[in-house]
Amino acid sequence: GQQVMQIPQYQHVQEGEDFTTYCNSSTTLSNIQWYKQRPGGHPVFLIQLVKSGEVKKQKRLTFQFGEAKKNSSLHITATQTTDVGTYFCAGNGAQKLVFGQGTRLTINP
Amino acid sequence: ETGVTQTPRHLVMGMTNKKSLKCEQHLGHNAMYWYKQSAKKPLELMFVYSLEERVENNSVPSRFSPECPNSSHLFLHLHTLQPEDSALYLCASSYSGPSTDTQYFGPGTRLTVL
Repeated sequence: GQQVMQIPQYQHVQEGEDFTTYCNSSTTLSNIQWYKQRPGGHPVFLIQLVKSGEVKKQKRLTFQFGEAKKNSSLHITATQTTDVGTYFCAGNGAQKLVFGQGTRLTINP
Repeated sequence: ETGVTQTPRHLVMGMTNKKSLKCEQHLGHNAMYWYKQSAKKPLELMFVYSLEERVENNSVPSRFSPECPNSSHLFLHLHTLQPEDSALYLCASSYSGPSTDTQYFGPGTRLTVL
């Protein structure tokens, strides 16, 4: 069945450093979504990518969808303490939405 | 922030108890979901209801019994649970259109089984 792998599982950075999480699907996706879950909170939708090679930006966050529509990345420039949380990708394929395991980001102020 | 509410927010129950989790969405969506989130498996999809019909049941034990009386309400009935069922149970809703399915999550119910 469809699988979505996300790496790394954990990432600790100094405030101001960049951060990237990667997502890979075993099958071609119709779209990919990204969610953020703050500590003690629930997942909140960030963005959806649909087109092959698509790149979208939200302030310091840059989202990319691979040309083959099987992988994606989220890059945060100059992290801030408010970026702390777990970032999930979710791939929309034949078997509905499948979530990756998430990357937990912690930041040293 | 969210149009999806869940009650109770915290629940402690014994293995012989029967309890129910409630979810309500105010977004006009027609699909609702139950997820289990634990330390070992971050987000496990349990059940999917689309237009009040169950369309997916991911091999969930029968001690979990979902109910969707209408498109705005979703319940998860619990009985004879095990300690390993302790987790955060998240409800979500979406408008299931083609190539969409953005999930709007509720705050979750933190369940502890003693």
